[in-house]
Amino acid sequence: AQKVTQAQTEISVVEKEDVTLDCVYETRDTTYYLFWYKQPPSGELVFLIRRNSFDEQNEISGRYSWNFQKSTSSFNFTITASQVVDSAVYFCALSEAGVNKFYFGSGTKLNVKP
Amino acid sequence: SQTIHQWPATLVQPVGSPLSLECTVEGTSNPNLYWYRQAAGRGLQLLFYSVGIGQISSEVPQNLSASRPQDRQFILSSKKLLLSDSGFYLCAWSVGTNTDTQYFGPGTRLTVL
Repeated sequence: AQKVTQAQTEISVVEKEDVTLDCVYETRDTTYYLFWYKQPPSGELVFLIRRNSFDEQNEISGRYSWNFQKSTSSFNFTITASQVVDSAVYFCALSEAGVNKFYFGSGTKLNVKP
Repeated sequence: SQTIHQWPATLVQPVGSPLSLECTVEGTSNPNLYWYRQAAGRGLQLLFYSVGIGQISSEVPQNLSASRPQDRQFILSSKKLLLSDSGFYLCAWSVGTNTDTQYFGPGTRLTVL
């Protein structure tokens, strides 16, 4: 079974629309970390956020916000007032304590049209 | 500040030729180092990771090998490339525990013809 599921393969929105990228994870550990990365067309993965399993507070950073819900094993990412520069592939990832690897989702490609 | 370099940026190689991709990290000591591969339009596959000089763990048995000759240098190699080795190769580093953030390099785009 996949540890991290990003069911949305591709999303297209028009600039200024809000968009939410879904991430569902699976783990039996009580201590784990969740991440979001952005991969623009240039290819380099850019780190966006890291959250630990004990901190369920939602986080906002400018137009970006993250909703962490342990009850549904979800860590969703919302972009408010999307811009063309937000066009990229976004990856969600899980890291478990004691396991030296990240489990990446398959990514969601976001197309923001002007 | 820490920076990570990868070279070459792009590479076109014939089937059966050798491969050497290099990754170096600056501004940190004793990093954990990782090699990932991303096939076209797909997610990331962890190939190797290293927690110290000469210490390599392989995630997927295949036509590739990795070496860490120096603390901040990580090399991905192959003796004979296959068509299936084509992809985007990303190097990443982290410090501390395995749950710490991984930071990625600019990547190498490899095409095997």
